[in-house]
Amino acid sequence: KQEVTQIPAALSVPEGENLVLNCSFTDSAIYNLQWFRQDPGKGLTSLLLIQSSQREQTSGRLNASLDKSSGRSTLYIAASQPGDSATYLCAVRFLSDTGNQFYFGTGTSLTVIP
Amino acid sequence: NAGVMQNPRHLVRRRGQEARLRCSPVKGHSHVYWYRQLPEEGLKFMVYLQKENIIDESGMPKERFSAEFPKEGPSILRIQQVVRGDSAAYFCASSQHKTANYGYTFGSGTRLTVV
Repeated sequence: KQEVTQIPAALSVPEGENLVLNCSFTDSAIYNLQWFRQDPGKGLTSLLLIQSSQREQTSGRLNASLDKSSGRSTLYIAASQPGDSATYLCAVRFLSDTGNQFYFGTGTSLTVIP
Repeated sequence: NAGVMQNPRHLVRRRGQEARLRCSPVKGHSHVYWYRQLPEEGLKFMVYLQKENIIDESGMPKERFSAEFPKEGPSILRIQQVVRGDSAAYFCASSQHKTANYGYTFGSGTRLTVV
């Protein structure tokens, strides 16, 4: 069974700190992995997409890494700001799945304290 | 260049009524996906459609739920005879290609409340 796990479920940090969110998946044979942000009561905003052939992607203060062999991805947020407070979701497409679907983790709820 | 448009944003239905959720994909995207997010749970895949075809409905309940993506117009997710357990946020996503090289673009969702 394909599964995606995110740890921790919740995280609270003071403003300015660097932080790492973790995502693990059960099968290393993946097509790609996408990190999303979800604000309360809102939709999903795509942050970074990493193809299976890539090791990392960067956008501004965000850096996502991918280690297929260990089935892990991390999202690094530098110099956190209160506006970064949201739920961060990791989603994986597995090669074994022919239906083209993403498997989502349950997310990490981040609170950045001013 | 509008993104994925979903309507309504909020929908309240009494038990036994029908719910119709609409999704207009990004212009030029011919692949549509529906996901459901139950309270305190992650997003779960329901169905994947291309124009006029259901490609994968493995995540959709066999009864009461149906989806379509006609040649013209939005994709529709229909829930007949709704029950309280159907209360959730329903998200639609679209992609340009099957391989989704650029990942998904999600809509803002429809929040269904069954009373």
